[in-house]
Amino acid sequence: GIQVEQSPPDLILQEGANSTLRCNFSDSVNNLQWFHQNPWGQLINLFYIPSGTKQNGRLSATTVATERYSLLYISSSQTTDSGVYFCAVPPYNTDKLIFGTGTRLQVFP
Amino acid sequence: NAGVMQNPRHLVRRRGQEARLRCSPVKGHSHVYWYRQLPEEGLKFMVYLQKENIIDESGMPKERFSAEFPKEGPSILRIQQVVRGDSAAYFCASSRDRVRTDTQYFGPGTRLTVL
Repeated sequence: GIQVEQSPPDLILQEGANSTLRCNFSDSVNNLQWFHQNPWGQLINLFYIPSGTKQNGRLSATTVATERYSLLYISSSQTTDSGVYFCAVPPYNTDKLIFGTGTRLQVFP
Repeated sequence: NAGVMQNPRHLVRRRGQEARLRCSPVKGHSHVYWYRQLPEEGLKFMVYLQKENIIDESGMPKERFSAEFPKEGPSILRIQQVVRGDSAAYFCASSRDRVRTDTQYFGPGTRLTVL
């Protein structure tokens, strides 16, 4: 089955720093979603991004489907950005999300 | 607009009992998915349902687990004769269209603890 790997696995930042999270997938996919799982366990939708670049406030994402990767950029990080970031993909012609390994982000004041 | 609702939020069961988890999708969404998250792991797909039909149950254990999404009422994930290994967070998600072409929205999860 498809493999979805995220890097880095852990990231520690001071407030105000910028970061880039990466998601690699091993096979063709229909689209890609980024989620933030906050410290209380809630999954928050960040982006639905099959290809191209999208921006939402301090966050932006880029997916290059032909090269099988996506990047999530967080600028001017805040303590509320802490949590685990997951990318998830539905493999081609399926309707289930396969989640990546996750990046655990800790932002300190 | 209400998001995906799940109840109960926390459930404690003793080994051998039954666990019944409920999920009400976003209004207007007819596609429902269940995922399981073990401690310190990512989410794993279990089952995909569309009103009264199971479309894909490839991630659901063959024994003790069942799911339904009736014409009226919430989707139910049922775990019979629970064991300690069933302790996990169970998330429900919904989408207006199939997830290959649409965004999936997640509920807050049910944390199941088996004593």
